[in-house]
Amino acid sequence: GDSVTQMEGPVTLSEEAFLTINCTYTATGYPSLFWYVQYPGEGLQLLLKATKADDKGSNKGFEATYRKETTSFHLEKGSVQVSDSAVYFCALSPPNTGFQKLVFGTGTRLLVSP
Amino acid sequence: GAVVSQHPSWVICKSGTSVKIECRSLDFQATTMFWYRQFPKQSLMLMATSNEGSKATYEQGVEKDKFLINHASLTLSTLTVTSAHPEDSSFYICSARDEAGSLYGYTFGSGTRLTVV
Repeated sequence: GDSVTQMEGPVTLSEEAFLTINCTYTATGYPSLFWYVQYPGEGLQLLLKATKADDKGSNKGFEATYRKETTSFHLEKGSVQVSDSAVYFCALSPPNTGFQKLVFGTGTRLLVSP
Repeated sequence: GAVVSQHPSWVICKSGTSVKIECRSLDFQATTMFWYRQFPKQSLMLMATSNEGSKATYEQGVEKDKFLINHASLTLSTLTVTSAHPEDSSFYICSARDEAGSLYGYTFGSGTRLTVV
């Protein structure tokens, strides 16, 4: 079935360091891909998305590229800030559900220190 | 932007009792709401999809009689955990999709941590 695998955390970085959080997926066809972020005490928020191969989603300095050949959607940011500390979820929406559902990875906690 | 309010944020209950969790869309009408469950260090698992005015659609392996879902209006869905047991302790999260049915119109609540003692 459809699934998402992302790296276990926590990822601990110093401010201004480069961030990569790996995400790979298994799905039939061409799913839509998402990164969600959950700040402490808040709900999940959509960070960025991509709907077809080679699309690049970007928002707030974060980027991820839909790589069909490697079934990956790695999240990157060139210079993290303390305020980026949160849990990041990679997710996909399968086409065989009419893009009605979301399948999530386990989440990766990012801790950024000053 | 769209806001989903989930209440309570945490609850402790005794084994055998029932607990109701509310999910409200505050500034939009949600034709579809989703309920997820999250165990520590695990993915959010979709439990059920509820559509306003009709019965919820449960995912395989989710007990309909234990997890009662009601979506009586376009702004409110409730999840009732009946006869709760310690193994039901978990983090429950709802999300709502706006009436336009936008693919990206998923807004999440902040979750409810249920502890059954």
